[in-house]
Amino acid sequence: GENVEQHPSTLSVQEGDSAVIKCTYSDSASNYFPWYKQELGKGPQLIIDIRSNVGEKKDQRIAVTLNKTAKHFSLHITETQPEDSAVYFCAASTRGSSGSARQLTFGSGTQLTVLP
Amino acid sequence: NAGVTQTPKFQVLKTGQSMTLQCAQDMNHEYMSWYRQDPGMGLRLIHYSVGAGITDQGEVPNGYNVSRSTTEDFPLRLLSAAPSQTSVYFCASSSGGASTGELFFGEGSRLTVL
Repeated sequence: GENVEQHPSTLSVQEGDSAVIKCTYSDSASNYFPWYKQELGKGPQLIIDIRSNVGEKKDQRIAVTLNKTAKHFSLHITETQPEDSAVYFCAASTRGSSGSARQLTFGSGTQLTVLP
Repeated sequence: NAGVTQTPKFQVLKTGQSMTLQCAQDMNHEYMSWYRQDPGMGLRLIHYSVGAGITDQGEVPNGYNVSRSTTEDFPLRLLSAAPSQTSVYFCASSSGGASTGELFFGEGSRLTVL
């Protein structure tokens, strides 16, 4: 089936430093790439997304880049703060397993810890 | 502002028992889905629905049933629970499909099967 690989699985940074999480995907027809943040005991929440007709998108301290040729995309968080500590998931729109509507396939997640 | 509400939050079952995880949304979303979250495996799609009366299988549908009789509700049924179904289950909804816009997740239901 379609695959989304996410690295690293854990990441620790000092407060104020930048954090980068990378994902690769296998479905060349994928055209939507969201990133979700999951705080402890909560459901995931969308923080930023990008579509295949755009190479980069930024929202304050968060940015996402997409390289369609290489089939990888990355999340960049600058000036990290303790409240950025959470699990982050990338996802890519992929062909449904039953051949119907496209669905989201998620990466395995990155536990980000921002050290004070 | 309820959003997506899941019940129960915690449940312990014995192998072979059946149960239903409830999911309700008040945003009039046509698309609803169920995911399971296991350590190191991200979120995997179990079943989804694009509207009342329409359901389809996701990546890991075996052992689970769903129905969609109303726009608001999308229950997930475990007919005969197995230890492999120990997981955290998330319901999510969207105004478009999963691959076009934001998914709104519930807070999860943690299920343990002994």
